[in-house]
Amino acid sequence: DQQVKQNSPSLSVQEGRISILNCDYTNSMFDYFLWYKKYPAEGPTFLISISSIKDKNEDGRFTVFLNKSAKHLSLHIVPSQPGDSAVYFCAASEAGTASKLTFGTGTRLQVTL
Amino acid sequence: DTEVTQTPKHLVMGMTNKKSLKCEQHMGHRAMYWYKQKAKKPPELMFVYSYEKLSINESVPSRFSPECPNSSLLNLHLHALQPEDSALYLCASSQRDRLPNQPQHFGDGTRLSIL
Repeated sequence: DQQVKQNSPSLSVQEGRISILNCDYTNSMFDYFLWYKKYPAEGPTFLISISSIKDKNEDGRFTVFLNKSAKHLSLHIVPSQPGDSAVYFCAASEAGTASKLTFGTGTRLQVTL
Repeated sequence: DTEVTQTPKHLVMGMTNKKSLKCEQHMGHRAMYWYKQKAKKPPELMFVYSYEKLSINESVPSRFSPECPNSSLLNLHLHALQPEDSALYLCASSQRDRLPNQPQHFGDGTRLSIL
């Protein structure tokens, strides 16, 4: 049972435009959410996170939005750059079991010139 | 540059071999993790160590044997693996196990191929 879902396997965006990556979850006990970026032949790199007490967290070009009632989060990248081309994973953990990250299946972002 | 270092980057071994994967971090983190990632799939948690003690084993077969010799090192001993064990093995660390809102930081992984 996939508790964290990324329904778009791929996304193509022009350089300078906004990239929006989406993630849905089913487990109402999740209270901490993260986004990771992964280049080929490298491990996932932590990008940004949000706890369930917030609905928005911003770090430079990256903003994560959380809609708890819809069990949905999204990552906005503005402006998109060619170096952002990678696979993006969302992940979540439950309160009290911070160790156990459940990952989504990933979205491959391609930023074109 | 990742602050979690994994060696080797690539490993090819036969089903009867014994080998070890190594992971090192010097961020003072006291929680360390092993994940397995198959192609086009998300990482799946295998083991969690907290203060050098095994705290979570996600029902991993005994042919995988983790070891945490000290707070900076994490090993994964491999013996009698099967071809389906071929995957990318990722190590991660975080400040503390069960400390909320702390991200895990990953190494670049070891690409393991079982012949």
